[in-house]
Amino acid sequence: AQRVTQPEKLLSVFKGAPVELKCNYSYSGSPELFWYVQYSRQRLQLLLRHISRESIKGFTADLNKGETSFHLKKPFAQEEDSAMYYCALSARPHAGGTSYGKLTFGQGTILTVHP
Amino acid sequence: DTGVSQDPRHKITKRGQNVTFRCDPISEHNRLYWYRQTLGQGPEFLTYFQNEAQLEKSRLLSDRFSAERPKGSFSTLEIQRTEQGDSAMYLCASSINRGFGLLETQYFGPGTRLLVL
Repeated sequence: AQRVTQPEKLLSVFKGAPVELKCNYSYSGSPELFWYVQYSRQRLQLLLRHISRESIKGFTADLNKGETSFHLKKPFAQEEDSAMYYCALSARPHAGGTSYGKLTFGQGTILTVHP
Repeated sequence: DTGVSQDPRHKITKRGQNVTFRCDPISEHNRLYWYRQTLGQGPEFLTYFQNEAQLEKSRLLSDRFSAERPKGSFSTLEIQRTEQGDSAMYLCASSINRGFGLLETQYFGPGTRLLVL
């Protein structure tokens, strides 16, 4: 079974402060991890995925298989980062498998960045 | 607009009534997903299609729920005999699956918010 846990429902920081949104997962296979973001009155959109190893809008996330974590970090938060953030997991494609692609989401963390 | 669209955006119905939602994916996306999101929770997977084939259904999808994607383009999700517990946001997402090796990004629609009275 796949499970994603985001322990913080709410996170508040001040502009310019570092921010870390926690994500832990449980999955017996080889996972792909994602962070999705939903800004106010906008639709859910992909922020970044671990396999790309990119920094998007200053955010990075490292997959730690030993701790089964995929925490999202940004060294200097901006007011425009205020949004709902979801960590999500999917099974990695493998030969002969069709049950991949579906996402298992965490409960989400509302990030508020104060001026 | 070439994004995923959903119709209607809002639906209020009485318990026991049937409702149908529509999702139009991004053109040429062969995968289409349905998710349900209740208040305070992340989206939960319901079902998905690759072209017109429904490849997986969640245990969340009771017999009252049925989804179709008859021509491999748009999809409909029908809920029969609605219950108050069906009140939620129903999200659709689409992606291109080119085969093994890489999961393509899922693009989400704005959702259909259902309220069952």
